[in-house]
Amino acid sequence: DTEVTQTPKHLVMGMTNKKSLKCEQHMGHRAMYWYKQKAKKPPELMFVYSYEKLSINESVPSRFSPECPNSSLLNLHLHALQPEDSALYLCASSQEVWNYEQYFGPGTRLTVT
Amino acid sequence: GESVGLHLPTLSVQEGDNSIINCAYSNSASDYFIWYKQESGKGPQFIIDIRSNMDKRQGQRVTVLLNKTVKHLSLQIAATQPGDSAVYFCAETNAGGTSYGKLTFGQGTILTVHP
Repeated sequence: DTEVTQTPKHLVMGMTNKKSLKCEQHMGHRAMYWYKQKAKKPPELMFVYSYEKLSINESVPSRFSPECPNSSLLNLHLHALQPEDSALYLCASSQEVWNYEQYFGPGTRLTVT
Repeated sequence: GESVGLHLPTLSVQEGDNSIINCAYSNSASDYFIWYKQESGKGPQFIIDIRSNMDKRQGQRVTVLLNKTVKHLSLQIAATQPGDSAVYFCAETNAGGTSYGKLTFGQGTILTVHP
């Protein structure tokens, strides 16, 4: 199984809502990542987890809160988002953080109204 | 800040032609480079990588060339097929640095292959 799954595929939320994005992989990878991708732009790294510990936070606003409850799961909790946060949120995993062959999920298309 | 960028934002080719996608990088500390392919509605997919101690690496129908002197990277796709139509991103990192896991992506090139 070389698949990274993400749910939901699409999400529309208001600025006062709280929602969560979920990511799962069963490849035994110990590194997991969240990226944000705006239309016609490259993915931008948000967070890196290694062995379930946060190792990189790219100065992401606190309205985005990552969580890695176990080695297979990665969540992104969203609260009080702004319309400019609308984007495709991609999850990825790799064997280790120093292995850069990252496997990406299909993403969650988020719209903040 | 330092960044990775592409010379051509779009490339249109006929099926069977060879395609060349270019990428310029400015971080001289970068020592590892990757090409990703992103099809519509999907996440990026790893194609091929190259370390800075190499200047060429070949895969199946793809070749990556690295010119460290001019900080230039290219992806060559042989006998391009309609299924190759996608956005191609180069990405770079300092694999020997301390920010393990941090990939910086270039702006992307849209490749369109006409049957």
